[in-house]
Amino acid sequence: DAKTTQPTSMDCAEGRAANLPCNHSTISGNEYVYWYRQIHSQGPQYIIHGLKNNETNEMASLIITEDRKSSTLILPHATLRDTAVYYCIVERGDTNAGKSTFGDGTTLTVKP
Amino acid sequence: GAGVSQSPRYKVAKRGQDVALRCDPISGHVSLFWYQQALGQGPEFLTYFQNEAQLDKSGLPSDRFFAERPEGSVSTLKIQRTQQEDSAVYLCASSLVLGIYGYTFGSGTRLTVV
Repeated sequence: DAKTTQPTSMDCAEGRAANLPCNHSTISGNEYVYWYRQIHSQGPQYIIHGLKNNETNEMASLIITEDRKSSTLILPHATLRDTAVYYCIVERGDTNAGKSTFGDGTTLTVKP
Repeated sequence: GAGVSQSPRYKVAKRGQDVALRCDPISGHVSLFWYQQALGQGPEFLTYFQNEAQLDKSGLPSDRFFAERPEGSVSTLKIQRTQQEDSAVYLCASSLVLGIYGYTFGSGTRLTVV
């Protein structure tokens, strides 16, 4: 499975958009980009995923570059409760799904 | 149930003791995964079930680790003769359709070996 690279930490002001980047330059054509976040003492929470088109749901937007080598998770109006570790992973939609290593993610701190 | 339930929430074991960690996935979820998360690190894959079949156990760190899902629903992760390096949070996740939907994780079991 392709590996991902994320910045170790980021800060964002409350109410502003948080843009979290992820590089996945070795992604294969059948691999999806998934984003999860983990708030302290809880299990990771699924946010959004995509293959090649941009995606939006009630939590966030996912922008995937045309060459699929990178993506950005956008939290449009960050709140203090969005402070968490954000993980970007790539996975195949077959029996190998779930084997991906999460890496250490990006620690997002939303500040008042 | 509404979510993935794991028990116990916390477990303290003496070195050399056997432990069993339980995972109740969301009803109807075919796929079930176990992850190990060390302090300050991301989750690492341990093993994967599709229904009762264990399709991948390549992430289990040693033969002291054993997982089962005999009826395709509840799963148990067993660790024999626990060592200090086994101290971690053990996360269970389930999914309805493999690779298409995101996984729903439980809150994990924090194992401390003393």
